[in-house]
Amino acid sequence: QSALTQPASVSGSPGQSITISCTGTSSDVGSYNLVSWYQHHPGKAPKLMIYEVSKRPSGVSNRFSGSKSGNTASLTISGLQAEDEADYYCCSYAGSSTFGIFGGGTKLTVL
Amino acid sequence: QVQLQESGPGLVKPSETLSLTCTVSGGSVSSGTYYWSWIRQPPGKGLEWIGYVYYSGSTNYNPSLKSRVTISVDTSKNQFSLKLSSVTAADTAVYYCARLVLWFGELNFFDYWGQGTLVTVSS
Repeated sequence: QSALTQPASVSGSPGQSITISCTGTSSDVGSYNLVSWYQHHPGKAPKLMIYEVSKRPSGVSNRFSGSKSGNTASLTISGLQAEDEADYYCCSYAGSSTFGIFGGGTKLTVL
Repeated sequence: QVQLQESGPGLVKPSETLSLTCTVSGGSVSSGTYYWSWIRQPPGKGLEWIGYVYYSGSTNYNPSLKSRVTISVDTSKNQFSLKLSSVTAADTAVYYCARLVLWFGELNFFDYWGQGTLVTVSS
């Protein structure tokens, strides 16, 4: 099964909002509300930012929000800050045989 | 705070077996709530789920790697391990260990990750 499709890069200025898309199929994103998003600063441990499409773990800023429509999930970051510059990955449950599938990652640049 | 740390050789020869260990601190691999997983990222590519182990020893593997992967748990050392046999250059990647939460047997999320360790397959 192919990886979920994410844009390779997005950018925005401090204070702006950006959205990262994550497109799958009816076998993964479209069938389950089990999409999660991870922030990864190179050299550090990836950090869970969103789970179950739109839930935020304790300690994650409310500037981060998630949503889903059909086969596409989205991560929105509002009020961009320099520290948000990182790679972002989506992940979805993909059924009992494939189990888990990730996106290719999106590099966020804060201009 | 739960912390995970990968350890193992950074260089493995083609056709040999890659072996990595993940040491968990601040939490117990014997917790019945969580599963313990390996994920990898080849250079310039996205993440790939490898598999997971439960404290009981039960496992689930990525079908594309299933024939070569073994994940095991050592509750006495609070560790879990990955073995990947018959490696090739395509197995060169940063390998991460992570704690996994399931939702009625379905992948929900990975809530804690290690920093990752680069394993290069080369003669």
